[in-house]
Amino acid sequence: EPEVTQTPSHQVTQMGQEVILRCVPISNHLYFYWYRQILGQKVEFLVSFYNNEISEKSEIFDDQFSVERPDGSNFTLKIRSTKLEDSAMYFCASSEKERGPPEQYFGPGTRLTVT
Amino acid sequence: AQSVTQPDIHITVSEGASLELRCNYSYGATPYLFWYVQSPGQGLQLLLKYFSGDTLVQGIKGFEAEFKRSQSSFNLRKPSVHWSDAAEYFCAVDEGGTASKLTFGTGTRLQVTL
Repeated sequence: EPEVTQTPSHQVTQMGQEVILRCVPISNHLYFYWYRQILGQKVEFLVSFYNNEISEKSEIFDDQFSVERPDGSNFTLKIRSTKLEDSAMYFCASSEKERGPPEQYFGPGTRLTVT
Repeated sequence: AQSVTQPDIHITVSEGASLELRCNYSYGATPYLFWYVQSPGQGLQLLLKYFSGDTLVQGIKGFEAEFKRSQSSFNLRKPSVHWSDAAEYFCAVDEGGTASKLTFGTGTRLQVTL
């Protein structure tokens, strides 16, 4: 069964450093998402992406964040200058949405630790 | 703004007992409704979904959920819980539209005793 994959599974970085989290969505999916989950809190929407542009973003997704689909398979989330409060589990998701409401399929997540 | 409420933070049930996890949403129209499960150290797995039609929906792993419009609820049920069901369960809604995004509840942690 196709699945969303994410690398790395765990990333440790120092405050102020740039990080890139990588995701490979399910191959025939057209919509891509990033969510985050701070430890002990609920999963929060960050951004959705379709047709090589952002469809919607949350208040969390400020100028420090960016997303890119650099090729036909990868979908990345970049944090330019990490802060301690960026420490969280980051989930990538994808959906097909050719017809009807979307079902989002999630990857296993990347745990980002900012020290 | 829409919101999702899962009033039970932590539930403990005995193996073989029935289970009901509560979810209420606040939204003017009927959104798309989902239940996800997150096992320790794992990602989010879709258990089931409701879009329209029959208000009782079946999902994977023997789970079902019932949509009740009058109560703005989408409670998850399982007749007989297995020890492997111990996990965190998240209710989520998608209001639809051109850009999909999920709004999650705070989750319910299920503990299963043997």
